[in-house]
Amino acid sequence: GNSVTQMEGPVTLSEEAFLTINCTYTATGYPSLFWYVQYPGEGLQLLLKATKADDKGSNKGFEATYRKETTSFHLEKGSVQVSDSAVYFCALSTPGGYNKLIFGAGTRLAVHP
Amino acid sequence: DVKVTQSSRYLVKRTGEKVFLECVQDMDHENMFWYRQDPGLGLRLIYFSYDVKMKEKGDIPEGYSVSREKKERFSLILESASTNQTSMYLCASCEASGRAVNEQFFGPGTRLTVL
Repeated sequence: GNSVTQMEGPVTLSEEAFLTINCTYTATGYPSLFWYVQYPGEGLQLLLKATKADDKGSNKGFEATYRKETTSFHLEKGSVQVSDSAVYFCALSTPGGYNKLIFGAGTRLAVHP
Repeated sequence: DVKVTQSSRYLVKRTGEKVFLECVQDMDHENMFWYRQDPGLGLRLIYFSYDVKMKEKGDIPEGYSVSREKKERFSLILESASTNQTSMYLCASCEASGRAVNEQFFGPGTRLTVL
């Protein structure tokens, strides 16, 4: 079946450090891939998405590239801020599936000054 | 501004009680979803609905039911709450699309504790 695997957290970084959160997926067909973020005490919100191979999603300095050959969608940011502290979820959705999302376990990021 | 609201942020119930969690969206979305969020497990889909009065089971429907009598409202029902249903419950909605590209919009969540 379809599934998403994320690197385990927590990830602890100093401000201005480089961030990578790994995400790999298993899916039949051609899924769309998403990164959602959950700030403390809030629901999830979309951070970025990519809908076909080699697409790059970007938002707020975060980027992720849809790599079909490695079935990956790793999240990166060149210089993190304290305000980026949150839980990050990788997810996929497959065509014809009512836009249902399959989520990874989530990765908690803590950024210290 | 798009909005998904949930009836309670925190709820404490006793084992065996019937529990209703309400979700309302103001975006005229066709699809609505209920997830539960548990540490280390991410979000797991309980039920979803793609139209009024239409519902489909997700990955973990046991012990839950849902109701969608109006397009904007999607309710999750725990017929007889149990301690293993203590969790964070998140509602979401999105436009219908066969291409799987649409963003889901999430409510703030309800943290349910069953004693």
